[in-house]
Parts: sequence; C-alpha cells; structure tokens
Amino acid sequence: QVQLVESGGGVVQPGGSLRLSCVASGLTFGSYAMHWVRQAPGKGLEWLADISHDGRKKYYAESVRGRITISRDNSKNSMYLQMDSLRSEDTAVYFCASRSGSYVGFDYWGQGTLVTVSS
Amino acid sequence: SYELTQPPSVSVSPGQTARITCSGDALPKQYSYWYQQKPGQAPVLLIYKDNERPSGTSERFSGSSSGTTATLTISVVRAEDEADYYCQSQDNSGLVWVFGGGTRLTVL
Repeated sequence: QVQLVESGGGVVQPGGSLRLSCVASGLTFGSYAMHWVRQAPGKGLEWLADISHDGRKKYYAESVRGRITISRDNSKNSMYLQMDSLRSEDTAVYFCASRSGSYVGFDYWGQGTLVTVSS
Repeated sequence: SYELTQPPSVSVSPGQTARITCSGDALPKQYSYWYQQKPGQAPVLLIYKDNERPSGTSERFSGSSSGTTATLTISVVRAEDEADYYCQSQDNSGLVWVFGGGTRLTVL
C-alpha cells in the first residue's frame, strides 16, 4: 500500500524558514516524479513545484519561485521543500504527491502538513 | 500566468447528472485531470488524460475535453459525491502545472 507522509510543518514567524519532508513507502520511489501542492485555509489547491524521478529537473510555480527549493534523496525515499522568506500568505496545508509517469496525473497524495506563518 | 476557470458551485438532486466545466487556453494542447476532495482529506485522482479512469474510480465519473473546455460528468449523483472538484492541466510549455479554482458540488 502506497503511503506518503509529510512532516516539518508548524508555526513560523514572517521572514522565517521551514523545511518540509515527504517520506514515501510502498512504491519504487526513484521511479516517480514528485510534487508539492498547498491549500490555504478555505481555498483551492495550488501547485508549487515538481522534481523529476532522478532529481535532475525541477520546476516551480511563478508565485513562489526564488523562495522555495525542492529536492529529493532517493536513498531515503524522501523529498523535501525548503521554504524561505515566509509570508502570512504562505499559511496553508502542504501536500506532497507522486506522479508515476507522463499523462497520469498525481496518483498518490499525502495527508498534508500545516504551515502557519504568524508573529 | 496561466489559469483554469471553474464554476464555484454546482447543485444537483440525487439521481441526476452533474457537469462541471473547466476552461483554459492551453486545453486544446494539454490533457486535463480531475480530483475529488472531501473536507479534511487529501485530493483523490478521478480522471486523467482527459477521459481515463484510474482503477477504483466509479464508472459514474467520466471526463471529456473539447477545444478550450474540459468537462467532468457525474452520472446518477449520490449524496456521497458531495465534495470539491478540481481540474488540473499544464500550461503551453508543459513545464508548469495549474489547478482550477475548484467547484463545490452540492447534492440537494
């Protein structure tokens, strides 16, 4: 059974940094592209970034480019999201999601981790 | 930046058919995907590649795409279908993913 588990969320002050983690099990992690998606309270889904199966290709949403960095360690079945210069509008639940190939959508999702940016 | 437009809400009575649309300029070139999200839960993939169903998705859910509009159709709507539905696609470059604003389906 595939499981994605996010961690690292919490309360952080404006201007601060946070590193989120996503640990995968039940799938051949190194074969999957991975994504970060967030959802502000009461709002819709927002795609943030993705990383190719081998970590060589990374793409970011324009809204967060320059403030976040996506990375992965296939030896640990893990993906990360480094977030810097956090703002109140970054308050959201952050989901990791996997994509097993081209044109298949985001087939597995974690339950999310809540990030609250507040002084 | 690229946007996908969905109606904020759709209401339907049980047993009827619900249709949720998603408009975007790049849809003639890019596939559409659909997700269902219930309160407090993670999204679940319903439709991929415009009209393909993952195993586990009920046959009552179907997708289509024509021109700049993709459509999710839910047949014989049940109370359990009440949820938020999101379309997803990529921009013309194929490098950036985008979600629509979401549609809340209310079963009357």
